[in-house]
Amino acid sequence: AQKVTQAQTEISVVEKEDVTLDCVYETRDTTYYLFWYKQPPSGELVFLIRRNSFDEQNEISGRYSWNFQKSTSSFNFTITASQVVDSAVYFCALLYNFNKFYFGSGTKLNVKP
Amino acid sequence: GAVVSQHPSRVICKSGTSVKIECRSLDFQATTMFWYRQFPKQSLMLMATSNEGSKATYEQGVEKDKFLINHASLTLSTLTVTSAHPEDSSFYICSVSRVSGGGTDTQYFGPGTRLTVL
Repeated sequence: AQKVTQAQTEISVVEKEDVTLDCVYETRDTTYYLFWYKQPPSGELVFLIRRNSFDEQNEISGRYSWNFQKSTSSFNFTITASQVVDSAVYFCALLYNFNKFYFGSGTKLNVKP
Repeated sequence: GAVVSQHPSRVICKSGTSVKIECRSLDFQATTMFWYRQFPKQSLMLMATSNEGSKATYEQGVEKDKFLINHASLTLSTLTVTSAHPEDSSFYICSVSRVSGGGTDTQYFGPGTRLTVL
């Protein structure tokens, strides 16, 4: 069975603060993929990153960085120097059966000016 | 540009009517498409897998007679909410999977359709 837990329901920060969104997953698959998506108020999912289970290298893309640790089954997402435009709901997701998603419950990020 | 489109983007209907939502793969042929549902302030839940030329596969708890899925071509899947009721009001999102090099899949989500049943 698959499970993705995003324990933080909502986070509020002031602009320029750093913020980390937590994601913990469970799966029996040895090969799997983890994703982060951003969902702004419009509803459309914006792809942020995909990481496969064999690649534990951390990744940085501009102000975004991801920390994947198989030992703790976590795939955390950090936004550095947050901006108001970062306000959205962020979903962590696990891809199973090669093409089905199991989404976490999402973390709503509010970045205040 | 967009890889997956959905139509309509928003629909409001009266209780008891049926609503059809289209999902189109714009850039490639897709033998498999997926339908997700997202209730307000909740996560996305997989409803069903749409298979071109065969019956859809529904997740546990999803009524196949209420949510009719037709995947008649390699670029189009439709979801029809039959006899819609207010509790069916939700955001419906489709996704398309494309096998890329190395056998891995790349997934693309549509922009979603917001259904409101009065």
